[in-house]
Amino acid sequence: AQSVAQPEDQVNVAEGNPLTVKCTYSVSGNPYLFWYVQYPNRGLQFLLKYITGDNLVKGSYGFEAEFNKSQTSFHLKKPSALVSDSALYFCAVREDGQNFVFGPGTRLSVLP
Amino acid sequence: NAGVTQTPKFRILKIGQSMTLQCTQDMNHNYMYWYRQDPGMGLKLIYYSVGAGITDKGEVPNGYNVSRSTTEDFPLRLELAAPSQTSVYFCASSYERGVTEAFFGQGTRLTVV
Repeated sequence: AQSVAQPEDQVNVAEGNPLTVKCTYSVSGNPYLFWYVQYPNRGLQFLLKYITGDNLVKGSYGFEAEFNKSQTSFHLKKPSALVSDSALYFCAVREDGQNFVFGPGTRLSVLP
Repeated sequence: NAGVTQTPKFRILKIGQSMTLQCTQDMNHNYMYWYRQDPGMGLKLIYYSVGAGITDKGEVPNGYNVSRSTTEDFPLRLELAAPSQTSVYFCASSYERGVTEAFFGQGTRLTVV
């Protein structure tokens, strides 16, 4: 069975500092991994995905994520956080022929 | 760019009432999904569809029904609303079930009192 964990409910970071939002997953086959962002009273917006190939994936709004197969992790990163990055972030995984499984979400607060 | 459109945005129901949450997508996606989002619980899959005329249960289907008569529309029906169905509901679609991402609607905030 597929599962996703986001070990931190909340991440606080100062504006201009690098940020990391953690995600670990469990699948029986090859994973497809996704990050989504949700702003207040909005739906989820796609940020980036890992399918195959280069372990470092670049996405929207300057975000990137690093796939680590040995640690079964897919952490979201950004070199310099903005106050406008404050939102709820969801990691998701799916295998071939399966539906998405979402993590519980991590609330990111970027402090000015 | 309409994408995935959900109506209504907000609704208050009394216990025992019924309603239909509407979802329409204009991207010609075969796959459509209904999720509910509860605080700290992430998204739980209620029902999904892999094409017109084909639907299947997700993780939390009890108390809900769906239909998929066209590629574009995937309504979610709540029969006999209960307080446990108070949640935010999201409809999503994707081109296929493999490598493509899902696109989400803006959500429907439902309160059952």
